[in-house]
Amino acid sequence: DIQMTQSPSLLSASVGDRVTLSCKASQNIYKYLNWYQQKLGEAPKLLIYYTNSLQTGIPSRFSGSGSGTDYTLTISSLQPEDVATYFCQQYNSWPDTFGAGTKLELK
Amino acid sequence: QVQLQQSGAELAKPGSSVKISCKASGYTFTSYYISWIKQTTGQGLEYIGYINTGSGGTNYNEKFKGKATLTVDKSSSTAFMQLSSLTPDDSAVYYCARPIIRGTNWFAYWGQGTLVTVSS
Repeated sequence: DIQMTQSPSLLSASVGDRVTLSCKASQNIYKYLNWYQQKLGEAPKLLIYYTNSLQTGIPSRFSGSGSGTDYTLTISSLQPEDVATYFCQQYNSWPDTFGAGTKLELK
Repeated sequence: QVQLQQSGAELAKPGSSVKISCKASGYTFTSYYISWIKQTTGQGLEYIGYINTGSGGTNYNEKFKGKATLTVDKSSSTAFMQLSSLTPDDSAVYYCARPIIRGTNWFAYWGQGTLVTVSS
């Protein structure tokens, strides 16, 4: 199975900061990567699909990029409601695998 | 609107089985596969597999073969997952999920999750 490594595991940032979360695959996943946001007690929420496509209804401050094995989720200006855990998911190879998550908190 | 409504929390004894349901509404049930995902604090999110809601065909993550059995009842637009020979390692929140577009794994719709606790 493809291993997905997210870093950092915990990130503290201030409102208005530009925040970058990383996801690294153990092999080339050809941009078949999604990002999810999960708030405490809720199901994951799809933010970005196929590396850089913004899901309907998601604020434009969220963006994704990357290729090969290295992918990034960027929040251009952190808002209080962005406090959550963020997961990446690869679907290039069966079975889909997820990263362990980055927990984002306010400084 | 698309909704996936899962059954309630389960408390089960080691060695027993549980069957979780996921009732879909707001769309044509047989037009989209339903996937199942396990979430634990220790192992994070794990993809269990999916069921073709039209044909009943299934595909399982090797890790969950023999553990999970996926079925559907088209008449009630409900997908089911049975977990057998339960051990404490099966304690988790289990989600059903549906993609936004057929044939993709872009999971935009999720059930609320079902907590399964395995304890004697």
